[in-house]
Amino acid sequence: SQQGEEDPQALSIQEGENATMNCSYKTSINNLQWYRQNSGRGLVHLILIRSNEREKHSGRLRVTLDTSKKSSSLLITASRAADTASYFCATDARETSGSRLTFGEGTQLTVNP
Amino acid sequence: GAVVSQHPSWVICKSGTSVKIECRSLDFQATTMFWYRQFPKQSLMLMATSNEGSKATYEQGVEKDKFLINHASLTLSTLTVTSAHPEDSSFYICSASPTGLYEKLFFGSGTQLSVL
Repeated sequence: SQQGEEDPQALSIQEGENATMNCSYKTSINNLQWYRQNSGRGLVHLILIRSNEREKHSGRLRVTLDTSKKSSSLLITASRAADTASYFCATDARETSGSRLTFGEGTQLTVNP
Repeated sequence: GAVVSQHPSWVICKSGTSVKIECRSLDFQATTMFWYRQFPKQSLMLMATSNEGSKATYEQGVEKDKFLINHASLTLSTLTVTSAHPEDSSFYICSASPTGLYEKLFFGSGTQLSVL
């Protein structure tokens, strides 16, 4: 399996609802990041959480990290139609520190108006 | 925030021709840039790490003679797909970090390559 597996693969919700996406990884990490990608575009950095942090907030985003379970979750509260995009987690693995980020498979979020 | 510009946004070419994609950091210097490839509804696959003034580091399975990378300045890296074939059709994205660390990458808008 690939470092940074996400679930669900696709998520469809109504505007105003919360959206939760999960990411699991296999190796020890320095940090874990979440990125957003609109269709046919580049990625936009959303939030970074370090290995010694458990939770982080940024606006309507809430990220948690459980290093014992090697998993992270991204919560988007009060979703909007404009939040429709693909969301990727990316891990900076400790073993290869400074060499690359490994991206997960992504979750396609659709927020219906 | 930092801006990474990538051109062209899309390109259609005939099989056997070469295509060059440019990636520029507009407001910061980037000693390292990254090139990714992405197939529809899939994740980003790192192709190579472009280092200013030195040879690029290619990921396993990526042909360096096929995908030529040149990082001649601190603000410009180019990816040339040589003798392109239909199987090279894909979405190519570059990224860079103002800090040189791998903590917050800024991405170009991507290039959709279609090889006929």
